[in-house]
Amino acid sequence: DGGITQSPKYLFRKEGQNVTLSCEQNLNHDAMYWYRQDPGQGLRLIYYSQIVNDFQKGDIAEGYSVSREKKESFPLTVTSAQKNPTAFYLCASSTRDRGGSGANVLTFGAGSRLTVL
Amino acid sequence: SQQGEEDPQALSIQEGENATMNCSYKTSINNLQWYRQNSGRGLVHLILIRSNEREKHSGRLRVTLDTSKKSSSLLITASRAADTASYFCATLNTGGFKTIFGAGTRLFVKA
Repeated sequence: DGGITQSPKYLFRKEGQNVTLSCEQNLNHDAMYWYRQDPGQGLRLIYYSQIVNDFQKGDIAEGYSVSREKKESFPLTVTSAQKNPTAFYLCASSTRDRGGSGANVLTFGAGSRLTVL
Repeated sequence: SQQGEEDPQALSIQEGENATMNCSYKTSINNLQWYRQNSGRGLVHLILIRSNEREKHSGRLRVTLDTSKKSSSLLITASRAADTASYFCATLNTGGFKTIFGAGTRLFVKA
C-alpha cells in the first residue's frame, strides 16, 4: 500500500538535545511538507520541499532543519534552538489533482508526538 | 500565518442531523480544500473546490465557495457518530505552493 510513514510515533527529549523525525513516502510525490500542530490549533508550516535537494522555509522554520537527499525521504531535525518543541508533527506529500489545476492535495502521515522533559 | 478561520470552533449535534462548518480566508486562492482529522491522527483529504467553482458534492458532503466573500462552507448531511472529528479548511494561494490551514472545527456527533 502506498503511503507516508512517520517515525517514531512518540518521542521524548531532554532540553538541549537535537532530535530527528523520520518521514518516508512511497507515493512517488515530488513535494513534501512538515507541519506543526499544537493542542486545539491548526497546522503551521515548518518547511517544504518541491524537489530533491531543494527546500524552503515555511512560517515557523526557526529552530528546525531539514534535508531532501532522496525523493522518498524528508527528515526533520528539531534543534536545541527551538524554544518550545513539544507538539504534534505531521509530514505530508502532495501531487497535483487530476484536473491539472495546479492543486496540492496533501497526503499525511500518522504524525509524531514530541515531548520535551 | 493562518489563512483560513473556521466557524464555529466546536459543534455538537445528534446523529442524523446536518452539520455546517464555515471557513473564511484572506487572500486570493487557487483552490480550497477540506480535511478531516481524528484525534491524534494525521489529516485525511475530503474534498477540493477550485476558485472557479461554486459548489461541489461528494457523498454526504457538500462544499460551497464564495470568492467574493472569501468564504466556504462544508455541510455534512445525516451525520453519524463516526463523523466525530476535527475539520480543517486549507487554501492554496494563487501562484503559490504552500497549503495553509485554519484552526479547525471540532465536531462531536452524539449517538
